[in-house]
Amino acid sequence: GAGVSQSPSNKVTEKGKDVELRCDPISGHTALYWYRQRLGQGLEFLIYFQGNSAPDKSGLPSDRFSAERTGESVSTLTIQRTQQEDSAVYLCASSLYGTGEINYGYTFGSGTRLTVV
Amino acid sequence: KNEVEQSPQNLTAQEGEFITINCSYSVGISALHWLQQHPGGGIVSLFMLSSGKKKHGRLIATINIQEKHSSLHITASHPRDSAVYICAASPIYNFNKFYFGSGTKLNVKP
Repeated sequence: GAGVSQSPSNKVTEKGKDVELRCDPISGHTALYWYRQRLGQGLEFLIYFQGNSAPDKSGLPSDRFSAERTGESVSTLTIQRTQQEDSAVYLCASSLYGTGEINYGYTFGSGTRLTVV
Repeated sequence: KNEVEQSPQNLTAQEGEFITINCSYSVGISALHWLQQHPGGGIVSLFMLSSGKKKHGRLIATINIQEKHSSLHITASHPRDSAVYICAASPIYNFNKFYFGSGTKLNVKP
């Protein structure tokens, strides 16, 4: 597609359940990022994938969070045993080569709004 | 202490005004990004700077590496510029891990 696609756009889940969020990056983009934005707060870095290199997981807030990406395609962010503090918008972005230069198409998806009740 | 500080937090302007948003950072950086987040939540990357100045339409971004400061300017502002503007710093030790400012909410009135 023309942009970064995320699904679902909205997800309401019960506390303690697992959720899986999906990100389809722009075709050919080697770098993929996951961020979280809690209500009224700034963006938080979660994890970064670059090609087939080991991902940078340093932003994941706990071991309940994990993410996978196969090659340069779709990524899934999984949150196990969800807690109310996990409620946030989860944003995915992709770019070419990981440089983030506007000419290299550093593009955000529209996000998944996760509500844990 | 936040690695990236933005000011002002909120800004209201009249259409046509020249707008400046400031960003100060405390980490050594490889690049400084300006992002625009629209009311619907969509985020667009505006600029990536490592030195000097960049211009894109009515938007101008500058950076002073010695002072660890960047500014985003909007000339001839328009109501469609209303959005949250976010400054993000890529630290030297990890180019792809950003420190984000808390954002500046801009409202341009017609």
